[in-house]
Amino acid sequence: GEDVEQSLFLSVREGDSSVINCTYTDSSSTYLYWYKQEPGAGLQLLTYIFSNMDMKQDQRLTVLLNKKDKHLSLRIADTQTGDSAIYFCAESIYDNNDMRFGAGTRLTVKP
Amino acid sequence: GAVVSQHPSWVICKSGTSVKIECRSLDFQATTMFWYRQFPKQSLMLMATSNEGSKATYEQGVEKDKFLINHASLTLSTLTVTSAHPEDSSFYICSARRSNEQFFGPGTRLTVL
Repeated sequence: GEDVEQSLFLSVREGDSSVINCTYTDSSSTYLYWYKQEPGAGLQLLTYIFSNMDMKQDQRLTVLLNKKDKHLSLRIADTQTGDSAIYFCAESIYDNNDMRFGAGTRLTVKP
Repeated sequence: GAVVSQHPSWVICKSGTSVKIECRSLDFQATTMFWYRQFPKQSLMLMATSNEGSKATYEQGVEKDKFLINHASLTLSTLTVTSAHPEDSSFYICSARRSNEQFFGPGTRLTVL
């Protein structure tokens, strides 16, 4: 089947930028998502981008999409300890009825 | 708004027993709910789509007789793992659809001894 891959761990210092990377294989992907999961809570949608966009910025979050390389990244500026969580990349073709997820990247922010 | 709960948050059971996991949308009605499972260090995998008042749609490779899904009301879907075996041990996550977004529960960790 189609895969979504992301590295499992990332550790940064407070105040630095974090970049979480994701690659996918389905060239038909239309929507690409980033979810955040904090301990004991469900996945929360952080942001999403349409495949016809290269970049989307929302406050401290910047999403970059390289459709040619099927590469998606999430940059968190001025990372805070509250950003420590698991971040999931996901993609879908039609809408979020058919999402495919990565395994999640555990971001640890050190003071 | 848009809170989804799961119960229990974790469960340990003996091999051969059945386990029921509940997924509730607390502040909205959801005609469609989804069930996922996640093995350690692996992706969330969609198991089935649960539709209120009708039969669930299972993904390829998911045994419908083993993973029974019931969506009897607009706020509750249940997943019953029947005759559980150690290989069913996993993290089960549900989500409920509202408008064009899925809202996720916190997950249920099932351990089968």
